[in-house]
Amino acid sequence: LAKTTQPISMDSYEGQEVNITCSHNNIATNDYITWYQQFPSQGPRFIIQGYKTKVTNEVASLFIPADRKSSTLSLPRVSLSDTAVYYCLVVRAGTALIFGKGTTLSVSS
Amino acid sequence: EPEVTQTPSHQVTQMGQEVILRCVPISNHLYFYWYRQILGQKVEFLVSFYNNEISEKSEIFDDQFSVERPDGSNFTLKIRSTKLEDSAMYFCASSESHPTGSSYEQYFGPGTRLTVT
Repeated sequence: LAKTTQPISMDSYEGQEVNITCSHNNIATNDYITWYQQFPSQGPRFIIQGYKTKVTNEVASLFIPADRKSSTLSLPRVSLSDTAVYYCLVVRAGTALIFGKGTTLSVSS
Repeated sequence: EPEVTQTPSHQVTQMGQEVILRCVPISNHLYFYWYRQILGQKVEFLVSFYNNEISEKSEIFDDQFSVERPDGSNFTLKIRSTKLEDSAMYFCASSESHPTGSSYEQYFGPGTRLTVT
């Protein structure tokens, strides 16, 4: 599976939009991109997944350019409760989830 | 909303002892997983389980580890002879289907913190 690279940490203020970009240069045709969120002392929680273009749900948006070598998770108007670690994963049918170190997002007031 | 539950929340054991970590996956899910996370490190895949057999396992999942679905609701992880380096948070997860293009959503439990002394 393609290795992912994302910033180790990001800081934001309440009410701002946060964009976390992940690079996955060697993504294969059958691979999908998925994002998970993890709060301290809790298990990861699925946020969103996509293959290409844009996907939006009630929590976030995921932008994937045509070459699929990167993806951007967009969190609109973050609040203090969005402080967490965000993981970008490249996933393939029939294989396990492989987590990287993720991006620690800190939201302050 | 259905959720994955795990017991105990914290287990302290001495090196060399056997421990069993328990999980109750979401009732209509068919695929079950164990992951672990050493303090301050990334979440690591251990094993996946379907139809009463292991479907995939990582290098971490050696002969000291075993999994079982003893009844229709529980899913357990056994560590036969614990080592200091087994100290970690262990997460159980379940999914309705095997990871496919339609969904890679796995539901994680709250974890069991294992401390080996």
